[in-house]
Amino acid sequence: DAGITQSPRHKVTETGTPVTLRCHQTENHRYMYWYRQDPGHGLRLIHYSYGVKDTDKGEVSDGYSVSRSKTEDFLLTLESATSSQTSVYFCAISWTGLDTQYFGPGTRLTVL
Amino acid sequence: GIQVEQSPPDLILQEGANSTLRCNFSDSVNNLQWFHQNPWGQLINLFYIPSGTKQNGRLSATTVATERYSLLYISSSQTTDSGVYFCAGVSTDKLIFGTGTRLQVFP
Repeated sequence: DAGITQSPRHKVTETGTPVTLRCHQTENHRYMYWYRQDPGHGLRLIHYSYGVKDTDKGEVSDGYSVSRSKTEDFLLTLESATSSQTSVYFCAISWTGLDTQYFGPGTRLTVL
Repeated sequence: GIQVEQSPPDLILQEGANSTLRCNFSDSVNNLQWFHQNPWGQLINLFYIPSGTKQNGRLSATTVATERYSLLYISSSQTTDSGVYFCAGVSTDKLIFGTGTRLQVFP
């Protein structure tokens, strides 16, 4: 299995607070992704990165920002969390952006 | 637009039965992948299958890219096959997911 970890695995926070989720990989893959998973919607892409400091928006990027200062780490930040951002967040990696994607274990975020 | 559609949305089987899951995808989707999400939430890549047929144990997948569909076959199902099966299509460097087929296998 690809070496992908996410932290924290669970988090409960209050509306209006900032939250940062971390994805760490040990595979040296170029591409990294953040998805959210909600009932009835499957997985939807939030942001992705195609290299250090190179990022782009996905389908549901409003309210989220990302940063990638090192190959191995991809951070997702909710500047001011809202209840609509309660979800399970998955990180994924791939070599080329066109090949197999490998997923991390997920982070369950609850915004009260 | 880019669309990935799966059917059926739900499937209930008795252990030992066979099943076929379908994924239709629109133009501009270059490659097709199948994933299994187990009841604990873990997402596992089953197949990367832009075209043709692949087999892995009791699972096999076929993609007919010219007709824009892919099929996932599960033979002799086991309770451990339960979970949600997603197909996803790659467009440029983004993966677009279908909404999944929820499979429940009972002993």
